[in-house]
Amino acid sequence: DIQMTQSPSSLSASVGDKVTITCRASQVIRYDLGWYQQKPGKPPKRLIYGASSLQSGVPSRFSGSGSGTQFTLTISSLQPEDFATYFCLQHNSYPYTFGQGTKVEIK
Amino acid sequence: EEQLLESGGGLVQPGGSLRLSCEGSGFTFSGYAMSWVRQVPGKGLEWVSGISSRGSAAYYADSVKGRFTVSRDNSKNTLFLQIDSLRVDDTAVYYCAKFELYHAPGFDPWGQGTLVTVSS
Repeated sequence: DIQMTQSPSSLSASVGDKVTITCRASQVIRYDLGWYQQKPGKPPKRLIYGASSLQSGVPSRFSGSGSGTQFTLTISSLQPEDFATYFCLQHNSYPYTFGQGTKVEIK
Repeated sequence: EEQLLESGGGLVQPGGSLRLSCEGSGFTFSGYAMSWVRQVPGKGLEWVSGISSRGSAAYYADSVKGRFTVSRDNSKNTLFLQIDSLRVDDTAVYYCAKFELYHAPGFDPWGQGTLVTVSS
């Protein structure tokens, strides 16, 4: 099985800060990775697909990069509505696997 | 608008069974693979099972293999998850999600989830 190691597990940041979250895959997954945002009591919402493509309707302050085994989600200027938990998900091979999640909290 | 709506969750005793359903609308249901993902309240996400667009291939996480069975009825735009021999650690919110292979690969949209509680 492919292990997804996500870091950090949590972070505190202020509105306007730049935030970076990383996921490392235990083997090459090409571009078969998505980033998701989840708020309490809600299902995950996809932000990025194909490692770097922005989901329609998602603000451009969100961006993704990477390929192979190293991936990054960047929020260029954190907004109040961005305080949430973020997950990566690889769909290169079964069983699909998630990162452990990063909780972004208000500093 | 593409939508998924899960149902069938509830309180069940250990060792019991449950059948979850997920009805899709707003897209050609028979054209897409589907998956089930679960989340223990307050914890991370776990992919549980997936099924091909025609239902000819099914996949499972090791943690549920032999106890969970995924199926679909494309004539009714509905995905199912049969859960047998339920354990306390199966307690979670169960989400279904549509898997896009080509245009925008990955899981989108997701349903709102259905809560399964296993307790005596």
